[in-house]
Amino acid sequence: IAGITQAPTSQILAAGRRMTLRCTQDMRHNAMYWYRQDLGLGLRLIHYSNTAGTTGKGEVPDGYSVSRANTDDFPLTLASAVPSQTSVYFCASSEQWSNYGYTFGSGTRLTVV
Amino acid sequence: GQQVMQIPQYQHVQEGEDFTTYCNSSTTLSNIQWYKQRPGGHPVFLIQLVKSGEVKKQKRLTFQFGEAKKNSSLHITATQTTDVGTYFCAGPVEGNKLTFGGGTRVLVKP
Repeated sequence: IAGITQAPTSQILAAGRRMTLRCTQDMRHNAMYWYRQDLGLGLRLIHYSNTAGTTGKGEVPDGYSVSRANTDDFPLTLASAVPSQTSVYFCASSEQWSNYGYTFGSGTRLTVV
Repeated sequence: GQQVMQIPQYQHVQEGEDFTTYCNSSTTLSNIQWYKQRPGGHPVFLIQLVKSGEVKKQKRLTFQFGEAKKNSSLHITATQTTDVGTYFCAGPVEGNKLTFGGGTRVLVKP
């Protein structure tokens, strides 16, 4: 089934540890995005990539980094996790200039303790 | 920067009743998108509106884009328990990056 796969599904992480959230899509979409979702704050864009080899900062990029080595993969790395990064993280993809909206992955629930 | 606001934040609806949720942008939008997120799930794309004053229907859901392309609404007729979830509107900031509203969480009383 075409779509986006995120891993892990959930994780409890000690503060100060490094972690990479994985995101893979099989739809050959050009654009990919990372959002975090916190209660009452909706979805906020962390980083995005319009095409393989390029990335950009979103609304809340501090403490996060991304890479886009190929079309399918868009990992999100927390270099040194802090409790305020406790959230649900969603990866999404879209065709550039699409009329069909974003396709979201199932999310990663991250707790930093 | 661009802001997208939704009201109400919560909507308690009796099964069978109608309700409307509203979305307002601080800037003119090229298009507006709506998503639904079921409890514990991920956002799922519902629809995109592009033209000023555009109205689109999906079964019991009616979506409208304002004349000034700064606001939108979602009206649900004869609410069912399957309508439970959070409805988000979203508008493009630059290119195809979306800014999401805070969402309207819909709770249905049977």
